[in-house]
Amino acid sequence: RKEVEQDPGPFNVPEGATVAFNCTYSNSASQSFFWYRQDCRKEPKLLMSVYSSGNEDGRFTAQLNRASQYISLLIRDSKLSDSATYLCVVRTLTGANNLFFGTGTRLTVIP
Amino acid sequence: EAGVAQSPRYKIIEKRQSVAFWCNPISGHATLYWYQQILGQGPKLLIQFQNNGVVDDSQLPKDRFSAERLKGVDSTLKIQPAKLEDSAVYLCASSFLTDSYEQYFGPGTRLTVT
Repeated sequence: RKEVEQDPGPFNVPEGATVAFNCTYSNSASQSFFWYRQDCRKEPKLLMSVYSSGNEDGRFTAQLNRASQYISLLIRDSKLSDSATYLCVVRTLTGANNLFFGTGTRLTVIP
Repeated sequence: EAGVAQSPRYKIIEKRQSVAFWCNPISGHATLYWYQQILGQGPKLLIQFQNNGVVDDSQLPKDRFSAERLKGVDSTLKIQPAKLEDSAVYLCASSFLTDSYEQYFGPGTRLTVT
């Protein structure tokens, strides 16, 4: 079983729409959770961390459900510049700073 | 602040040939990572260094892959001999501390094995 599972999409949404991505993780001992963004042919970059109480950064809201081992990312008022692949990332402390990446969910925002 | 540097950006080789990639992390970052990202997948950790020591190389195919970080700064990743399934982007990342959750990635080296 994969450490992190995501729906690969693609999600094609019009500008201004709200879109949500979900992922699940298999290791209940996972410690930290993140969303990274990866533009086409570019490197991944940290978008935001995900906290147990949920957190918001502008148009982006991240949620964590430890009981269900489920992480979500909500994007409101989508912009063309939001088009990218969103990677769900889980950190499990096994003596190293191991980050486990999902396959990513591809988002295209359409004018 | 300069980011993570990698070279070359692209490499095309034939199977059974050898190839090496170079990475220079952000200045002051003690931890360096090499990831393999196959098309359509997320990055997979190959090896993690803390200064010049290996912290985790459990997913490195050691029969053909090797990596070193002799002086605790820049690093090289080598594949010898390459197989078709090694075609991927090889990403180098660094972080300030071992338990820093934010890793900064370089632009990657896109390897095509024919």
